[in-house]
Amino acid sequence: DAGITQSPRYKITETGRQVTLMCHQTWSHSYMFWYRQDLGHGLRLIYYSAAADITDKGEVPDGYVVSRSKTENFPLTLESATRSQTSVYFCASSDLGGNTEAFFGQGTRLTVV
Amino acid sequence: KNQVEQSPQSLIILEGKNCTLQCNYTVSPFSNLRWYKQDTGRGPVSLTIMTFSENTKSNGRYTATLDADTKQSSLHITASQLSDSASYICVVSAKSGDRKLIWGLGTSLGVNP
Repeated sequence: DAGITQSPRYKITETGRQVTLMCHQTWSHSYMFWYRQDLGHGLRLIYYSAAADITDKGEVPDGYVVSRSKTENFPLTLESATRSQTSVYFCASSDLGGNTEAFFGQGTRLTVV
Repeated sequence: KNQVEQSPQSLIILEGKNCTLQCNYTVSPFSNLRWYKQDTGRGPVSLTIMTFSENTKSNGRYTATLDADTKQSSLHITASQLSDSASYICVVSAKSGDRKLIWGLGTSLGVNP
């Protein structure tokens, strides 16, 4: 199916565990983004990637790692999950970055207990 | 500090009525302004994108306006439908190297029959 998909949709993990959230897009968009959404905050950018093998930090990168070996995939890894990382995570992609429309996945609700 | 403020925080209207949501921003230098619709449990979906030179842009029953001088935008919804119940988020792109997006907290709109 065309579009951008995230997996899993829901995840519960324990403090200290490593967890990876997956993101896959079929449009061959250059740019991909990871955001987190929490009550009382607008979406906050964690990491973004302008192309395969090019990644850069966003507003709240601490505790997260990303990679982009292929254009279509942009996984987000929490190296050692903390309760403060309980959030809804959204992946997005866009063709040319800031001046073009970004398309969002359906989100991953992560709970760290 | 780059900020985006939206009002009202929440709003309930009757089906068929019109409403207007407000967005004020202090982002500089300005690149573009977007309105997103986010249904509960879903990712944001773009409604409009406006650049500095655009005053009005429509997408069906949604009409966005932009006054770059006063740094204000509005989203007008005409003849509301139950499916319009969602959060509407104003997002401003700063003209920087990474085209950073500054997200508002959104206006939660409920449309009642």
